[in-house]
Amino acid sequence: EAQVTQNPRYLITVTGKKLTVTCSQNMNHEYMSWYRQDPGLGLRQIYYSMNVEVTDKGDVPEGYKVSRKEKRNFPLILESPSPNQTSLYFCASSLLPGQYNSPLHFGNGTRLTVT
Amino acid sequence: LAKTTQPISMDSYEGQEVNITCSHNNIATNDYITWYQQFPSQGPRFIIQGYKTKVTNEVASLFIPADRKSSTLSLPRVSLSDTAVYYCLVGGGTGFQKLVFGTGTRLLVSP
Repeated sequence: EAQVTQNPRYLITVTGKKLTVTCSQNMNHEYMSWYRQDPGLGLRQIYYSMNVEVTDKGDVPEGYKVSRKEKRNFPLILESPSPNQTSLYFCASSLLPGQYNSPLHFGNGTRLTVT
Repeated sequence: LAKTTQPISMDSYEGQEVNITCSHNNIATNDYITWYQQFPSQGPRFIIQGYKTKVTNEVASLFIPADRKSSTLSLPRVSLSDTAVYYCLVGGGTGFQKLVFGTGTRLLVSP
């Protein structure tokens, strides 16, 4: 089944403890991206990647890192999480960015709580 | 980046047609208009995409006027299961680099 898989689904951590949220897609998509969703603010892009070893900042990159060493994986790294990073995170991928009928495919989300 | 504006919420009843309008005044020539549906605790799901005029698929229609500064998602004969948040996304024409989602429209369908 074609899908974007995020892990974990739920994560509770403490301020300053490094964490990684994994994202993997099995559709051979070139484009991958991370979003955070907060009440009243909709979906905001954190980072995106156009291909292996090609990443760039979205609208809210502060406090986050990403890497794209393989086409299928795009982990989100929080080196020193803070409470304002408590949010619902989504990973998404697309086959041919910019092409018609090549929409974003989203994972089911990771709910992160930083205390 | 094209910014989108949608109503925050809408209410409807089962069997009615629902039209959700999105404004995107600074849409670029190459941008597409894409609508997504999101249920609680799930990722958004693609509904429909268009560039101009009218597009129809098995679940919705998308109406885009000639100036492309707005678009309307039409859901025919909604059911309770259509209760969700609907997002209008404009972009992608030159790649999916920075995609700006709006705050979405929360649709509540009642019996």
